[in-house]
Amino acid sequence: QQPVQSPQAVILREGEDAVINCSSSKALYSVHWYRQKHGEAPVFLMILLKGGEQKGHDKISASFNEKKQQSSLYLTASQLSYSGTYFCGTGGQYNFNKFYFGSGTKLNVKP
Amino acid sequence: DTEVTQTPKHLVMGMTNKKSLKCEQHMGHRAMYWYKQKAKKPPELMFVYSYEKLSINESVPSRFSPECPNSSLLNLHLHALQPEDSALYLCASSQGTGSNEKLFFGSGTQLSVL
Repeated sequence: QQPVQSPQAVILREGEDAVINCSSSKALYSVHWYRQKHGEAPVFLMILLKGGEQKGHDKISASFNEKKQQSSLYLTASQLSYSGTYFCGTGGQYNFNKFYFGSGTKLNVKP
Repeated sequence: DTEVTQTPKHLVMGMTNKKSLKCEQHMGHRAMYWYKQKAKKPPELMFVYSYEKLSINESVPSRFSPECPNSSLLNLHLHALQPEDSALYLCASSQGTGSNEKLFFGSGTQLSVL
């Protein structure tokens, strides 16, 4: 039931770009993205709903393809503050409270 | 106020102890969650309360007992825990139960069971 993310870890230099993928074996009705820094709580980044939409948040954007049951998170011109572990997450069609996080992608941005 | 407050931040307990974790939010959210997170792993769903009623229990052992005394407060009562229960326990809340509801997380309670 847990979405699978790839890659598991990424190391970047400041200013480089990265893509994090999230895929599910079950139908996706919406996808959330969260970032968690070490020792802190997960922080909400964005939600994508059905329709293949792409959303942006500063230099972080995401796409959602419900037919392929996939979502991708795009980080452009990465900053040191982008470091952390990124989780996608999703809930059930009829009970979205049954919210599961993906396996996680650890991003390390170096100067 | 957009905060979810968890207390205590750290807790060390023996296997015979009884302790409780507390979570509070004053955003008027009607869904509240408990997650367990082991190091370098994603948060794992434990319980969900929706409108103060337990709606989801992810087959959690009975040594974990959730309670929702009112719409702002969520407790997790702990009894006879095992060392493998040591983890970060996260509380979260959301406005409602729809797929467009984002989760707000507390900073967690780091639990160590000796």
